[in-house]
Order: sequence, then C-alpha cells, then structure tokens
Amino acid sequence: GAGVSQSPSNKVTEKGKDVELRCDPISGHTALYWYRQSLGQGLEFLIYFQGNSAPDKSGLPSDRFSAERTGGSVSTLTIQRTQQEDSAVYLCASSLSHTENTEAFFGQGTRLTVV
Amino acid sequence: AQSVTQLGSHVSVSEGALVLLRCNYSSSVPPYLFWYVQYPNQGLQLLLKYTSAATLVKGINGFEAEFKKSETSFHLTKPSAHMSDAAEYFCAVIHGSSNTGKLIFGQGTTLQVKP
Repeated sequence: GAGVSQSPSNKVTEKGKDVELRCDPISGHTALYWYRQSLGQGLEFLIYFQGNSAPDKSGLPSDRFSAERTGGSVSTLTIQRTQQEDSAVYLCASSLSHTENTEAFFGQGTRLTVV
Repeated sequence: AQSVTQLGSHVSVSEGALVLLRCNYSSSVPPYLFWYVQYPNQGLQLLLKYTSAATLVKGINGFEAEFKKSETSFHLTKPSAHMSDAAEYFCAVIHGSSNTGKLIFGQGTTLQVKP
C-alpha cells in the first residue's frame, strides 16, 4: 500500500481479554516501530523491529505485551489480559532503515478502549 | 539519556500571526531532531528534521526551525498562521549514536488558531 496501514482503527474490549493489533508497513521498509499515545504519558516507544527480529523491546510496559513480525513485513502487537490503563492509541511507524536521518512514516493508529 | 521538553502544552495565536512552538532537548552527543504534526484522528506527519547539515531547517507548510546548540533548543516557527495549522505538534529526538532510530517525543503542544 501507499502508507502504513493499521487495523482495527478502533477496538473496545473488556478488561481481562486479549487483543491483537496489526500493522502493515510500507513495502520495502525494514525498520518497524510501535509507539503508544496516552493522555497521561504522551508518546512512548514500545518496540523496534529490524526485519523480523526485535533488537530493542525496552519500551514494552509489562510481560502482558508482546509483538512479532513475520516475513519482514506485517507486525502484530498483542496485549494479554488487558487492563484499563492499556487504553491508548497504538501507533505503528516504518522506515527504510534505522539510521537517524531516515524518515519514519506513521499509520493512523488503533484506538484501544478497555472497559 | 536524551529527552525533549516542549514549553507550553497549549498555544493560541490569531490567524496571520507568528507561530512559535518551543522545544529544548538534552543529549550528551549531537542529536537528530524532528518536528511532527498530528491532525485530529490521524497519525504523525513529519514537518522537518535536523541532521547536522544546516542549523536552519525548512519544512513543509511554511514551517522552519533553528537548531541552537548553545541554547539546546529547536524551536518551530511560522511567520503567518493559517487556520489549517491547528493541530498538535511534537518535537522528537534520536540519540546521535542510536542504532535503532527510535524517537523520544516531547509531551506535545496543541496549537489553536483563532480567526
């Protein structure tokens, strides 16, 4: 596709349920990032993929959060046993490489509401 | 560790007036600095970036920013505000020796443009 695509755009889930958020990066982009945007915390880095491996997952807030990337393309962020504090907008970004002067392109995000 | 501080969570200007959004950074090595804009219910869009080539950086939509090492600042300006500039603006930094390209964001500044 022309840009980074995220699905679903909105997700409402009950506390304790698991959710999966999907990111389709721009074709050919080897670097992929997940960020979380919430009212109290602003924009936070979660995890970075280079190809299918995740050399930096330092931003994942707890072991309930995990992510994978397959085929060097699609990535899935999974949150197990969701809690109300997980409510946020989850943004995915991709770039041609991880170097500092490479522009990161962002998707429109998935708004997660845990009730 | 690198960080970014945006002074003023909300800025209000009249249409046609100067826009000034402030950003200060802390980094022990030369940083790479970015300004992103987020329109309602959309992802982030890159306005401009500083990667040490020139201290005055021109971006899209008439915005520019000047890197001032002595002041550790990277303020965003636009000579004349337009109604369509109303959005949230984020300053971000990548550590100069980063090998991941992950962005560290400021808390954001909401720009209101009054007619």
